[in-house]
Formats: sequence, C-alpha cells, structure tokens
Amino acid sequence: AQSVSQHNHHVILSEAASLELGCNYSYGGTVNLFWYVQYPGQHLQLLLKYFSGDPLVKGIKGFEAEFIKSKFSFNLRKPSVQWSDTAEYFCAVIPMDSSYKLIFGSGTRLLVRP
Amino acid sequence: GAGVSQSPRYKVAKRGQDVALRCDPISGHVSLFWYQQALGQGPEFLTYFQNEAQLDKSGLPSDRFFAERPEGSVSTLKIQRTQQEDSAVYLCASSLDREYEQYFGPGTRLTVT
Repeated sequence: AQSVSQHNHHVILSEAASLELGCNYSYGGTVNLFWYVQYPGQHLQLLLKYFSGDPLVKGIKGFEAEFIKSKFSFNLRKPSVQWSDTAEYFCAVIPMDSSYKLIFGSGTRLLVRP
Repeated sequence: GAGVSQSPRYKVAKRGQDVALRCDPISGHVSLFWYQQALGQGPEFLTYFQNEAQLDKSGLPSDRFFAERPEGSVSTLKIQRTQQEDSAVYLCASSLDREYEQYFGPGTRLTVT
C-alpha cells in the first residue's frame, strides 16, 4: 500500500539550531510532494510543495525541502530555527494516478526551546 | 478572505448516537475533501466532491459514514450509530479544482463516550 514515513516523531531543538525532518514515501510512480505545518491551535497550512523541476524547493519562513527521487525522500530543512517554529509538521504525497488524494505521514512534533 | 470553516469545533456523542459535521468551503472552490485524523496520526482521506458530485468515497471506513454536498457548496459528514473508534478530528479541505492546493479548515474534534 502507498505510505509516507516520518521517522522522527518528536524533535526538540534550541533556537538557532539547524533542522532536518525526514520523509520517505513508498510509491513507484510520479508523485507530487508536500510539507504541511500545524501551529498550536491553528489549522493545517501548506509550507511548501514540489511538482516538478528543481528538486530543491523553497517555502515560507525560510524552510526548504529536497526531493531525492532515487531515495524516495523529501526531507525538510531549515538552517536556523526559531521558537515560533514550534509546531507539528506533516509530509504528504499525491500519487499522480490519484491527482487529488493526499496521503500523509504521521507527523513530527517540533519543540524549539528559547 | 474567509477560509474553510467547520462546525461544531467540538462534539461529544454517546455511543450509538448520530452526528452531523458541517464544512463551509472557500467560496468558489469546486473541490471538497474530508479527512479523518486519529490521535497521533496524520490525516487520512475519507471522500472527495467535485461540485455536488461525490466522485470518491473509497476512504469512508464503514456504511455508517455518509457525506453529501447537495448544492455544491456546504458539505455535511454524517456518522450514524457512533462507535468509540470514530473518535478523531475530522478535517475538511477545499481547493479551486482537484489539482490545486488544498486549504484546510480547523477541524471538528469528535469524542464518542
């Protein structure tokens, strides 16, 4: 079955530390890739997305993600986190034969200590 | 502009009761999606509407779950004879069309006691 794996369930960092959250998917065909973020008390919102082209994607608030097709990975990175980045982060894919059905990972809770 | 809204935000139901969850999508959005998010998990797809047509209901976990969008705008997710395993956050999302970004509402947290 198609699935998305996020290996880090909880991450705790100090401000200014670098962040990398792992995401792997199991699907052999073409996919669109997404990172969503849910800040405390808020709804899910799109952080960044990859459809095609440059595999290094830049999103809002200084986040970026790199698509490595050979590794079926789409890891999220940020060079220097802030306390306001405390949130839950979800990786998601849409297999192109679906074109609309988001398949989410189980999420990573990030706590940034001031 | 206004985003996706959902009501109620919280619902407590006794086992066996029927519940109805409402979603108001962004105006003009053709596509509407429902997802279920269990505690500690990511959202899971339930069903998809294109205007008033329910084109995919493959994610509905049982025949106790029913969704409708009769006029192509507001949608209702109904759960009959609720069970404890139905406890979850139910998320609604809408998009301009099915291949565009999905905008999520705040969700309805359903607790079945």
